[in-house]
Amino acid sequence: AQTVTQSQPEMSVQEAETVTLSCTYDTSESDYYLFWYKQPPSRQMILVIRQEAYKQQNATENRFSVNFQKAAKSFSLKISDSQLGDAAMYFCAYATSGTYKYIFGTGTRLKVLA
Amino acid sequence: DTEVTQTPKHLVMGMTNKKSLKCEQHMGHRAMYWYKQKAKKPPELMFVYSYEKLSINESVPSRFSPECPNSSLLNLHLHALQPEDSALYLCASRNTGTGTPGELFFGEGSRLTVL
Repeated sequence: AQTVTQSQPEMSVQEAETVTLSCTYDTSESDYYLFWYKQPPSRQMILVIRQEAYKQQNATENRFSVNFQKAAKSFSLKISDSQLGDAAMYFCAYATSGTYKYIFGTGTRLKVLA
Repeated sequence: DTEVTQTPKHLVMGMTNKKSLKCEQHMGHRAMYWYKQKAKKPPELMFVYSYEKLSINESVPSRFSPECPNSSLLNLHLHALQPEDSALYLCASRNTGTGTPGELFFGEGSRLTVL
């Protein structure tokens, strides 16, 4: 069975600094998709960034970028120039085209310090 | 319109009550999901509907009964729940037109308390 692990329950970053959130996953599939979702307190979960496993190039979305290491089954999220609005729970997620199940990791709570 | 709307936002019910949660989207998405999320935990998949047919049931107890009356609407009927069923219930939808797992669009959730 596929599993997604986030080893950092909580992280803190100073405003304007850079922080990296870690995610590892376990799968025997070759074709899959990885996501980072953000869940602010009492607000809906939104997609931050998506990565297709067959693409070697790391995805980027403005201040958000990933470091995708397929052989190591690692998918970390880097947030540059952190802003107060980045404070939230971040979930790493995995899905395949076969089942379209989205499996979420345990989450990392990010605090941004002014 | 890129919204998934869930009602009610809050629900308190007794263990003998029957209630329903409702989810609606008008993005033309043909896949809809129910997740359960306990405090400080990740969302856990419950059900998936694809083209209005139940495609995934993650061994959810029968006291939870999903229904997809049309392509825009998803219900979760609740009956004889237990206090441990108290949680945030999240609905999500996905565009099936891409042929690959794309973005899940989430609603704000319905916070359920079972007394």
